[in-house]
Amino acid sequence: DTAVSQTPKYLVTQMGNDKSIKCEQNLGHDTMYWYKQDSKKFLKIMFSYNNKELIINETVPNRFSPKSPDKAHLNLHINSLELGDSAVYFCASSQSSGGAGNEQFFGPGTRLTVL
Amino acid sequence: QKEVEQNSGPLSVPEGAIASLNCTYSDRGSQSFFWYRQYSGKSPELIMFIYSNGDKEDGRFTAQLNKASQYVSLLIRDSQPSDSATYLCAVKAGYALNFGKGTSLLVTP
Repeated sequence: DTAVSQTPKYLVTQMGNDKSIKCEQNLGHDTMYWYKQDSKKFLKIMFSYNNKELIINETVPNRFSPKSPDKAHLNLHINSLELGDSAVYFCASSQSSGGAGNEQFFGPGTRLTVL
Repeated sequence: QKEVEQNSGPLSVPEGAIASLNCTYSDRGSQSFFWYRQYSGKSPELIMFIYSNGDKEDGRFTAQLNKASQYVSLLIRDSQPSDSATYLCAVKAGYALNFGKGTSLLVTP
């Protein structure tokens, strides 16, 4: 009965490669997010989709491209990986995002290591 | 840049004591505030949220909000060693959450 799941949990790859991380939620939420947590543990929003529509696109390199095939899935594709991309990437979801409420539930994270 | 500030700690309290975690935010228009707990190597876990000025209690946890002072806090009563973790304050900004850098709490037996 996993709520928000991500695959893979660990990803080790060489610089210059292209990789994808997948996220799925079974909470019936309509908004999903990608966050990046760096080595100093700072958690920062990257993207958000609401009902498959991109609503947040923070200042991240255009090597990062999110895709939402449906409202239960949000994937993150990263081209030409660089050393600085090494981090933990968290997917999250919430039921809508308007108004005051925005309780977000996080997946287990994907630890990306670029060598 | 809308900022959320937290003392990084570590905050060390003895078992059974009250732990007090503080957070300030810069966006005066913020409406929703959240506390997450993150154990090392794990994902953030929602503990509490608060929208209105005053206190909100849930078990051993109390969130306090003072919008005039742009201040939100989390009190943990009867602290247990299992409460040792990083506590993240988050403020809703549009659709996303702006997180502070977290306060590391250590509860010593």
